[in-house]
Amino acid sequence: GAGVSQSPRYKVAKRGQDVALRCDPISGHVSLFWYQQALGQGPEFLTYFQNEAQLDKSGLPSDRFFAERPEGSVSTLKIQRTQQEDSAVYLCASSFASTTDTQYFGPGTRLTVL
Amino acid sequence: QQQVKQSPQSLIVQKGGISIINCAYENTAFDYFPWYQQFPGKGPALLIAIRPDVSEKKEGRFTISFNKSAKQFSLHIMDSQPGDSATYFCAATIWRGSTLGRLYFGRGTQLTVWP
Repeated sequence: GAGVSQSPRYKVAKRGQDVALRCDPISGHVSLFWYQQALGQGPEFLTYFQNEAQLDKSGLPSDRFFAERPEGSVSTLKIQRTQQEDSAVYLCASSFASTTDTQYFGPGTRLTVL
Repeated sequence: QQQVKQSPQSLIVQKGGISIINCAYENTAFDYFPWYQQFPGKGPALLIAIRPDVSEKKEGRFTISFNKSAKQFSLHIMDSQPGDSATYFCAATIWRGSTLGRLYFGRGTQLTVWP
């Protein structure tokens, strides 16, 4: 079956622009995570959804970052008034609720803020 | 504050050799320790994982060694192949109920295997 997909794969934004990054998790996966991966670093947790409920948003770096998953499937990560330090790869991962212990990652969206 | 510390940052190994990557953690609540492999332009993919009730887990050429008292764990890649050239991340998490919580990643090790 299809894995986690993310779009766009690449995004270039001018500083101050708003961006929206999309994640399509594996069908039936209850849990969805967003991570930020700076160049040469490990992924850093941003936020976590269980179905449509955002249970943990402690990793969001500022109130310019907002995530939603209104129907418990597709999720969108929105960044308002982008800054250069927001440049990174944004990874989405999903996992099935109870029978597997694996987070499956998408290929990521590379965001470059000029 | 880095919850999981990983070393070395980069590693060069000859084909057929053993690659060893080490990680250490502080939070004793962590109870699941996966290793991820990432190729350029791809997302991380689970390679192998261990829980603290065992000291070693082996899958093919990949082995995790776990030392609970020292709060350290390591990945050994036996008979390293050029196709193993990738970035490897160790991670840790607290397993909440029936699904995994957030993963805390190390900074990664870039492995190059020379033919």
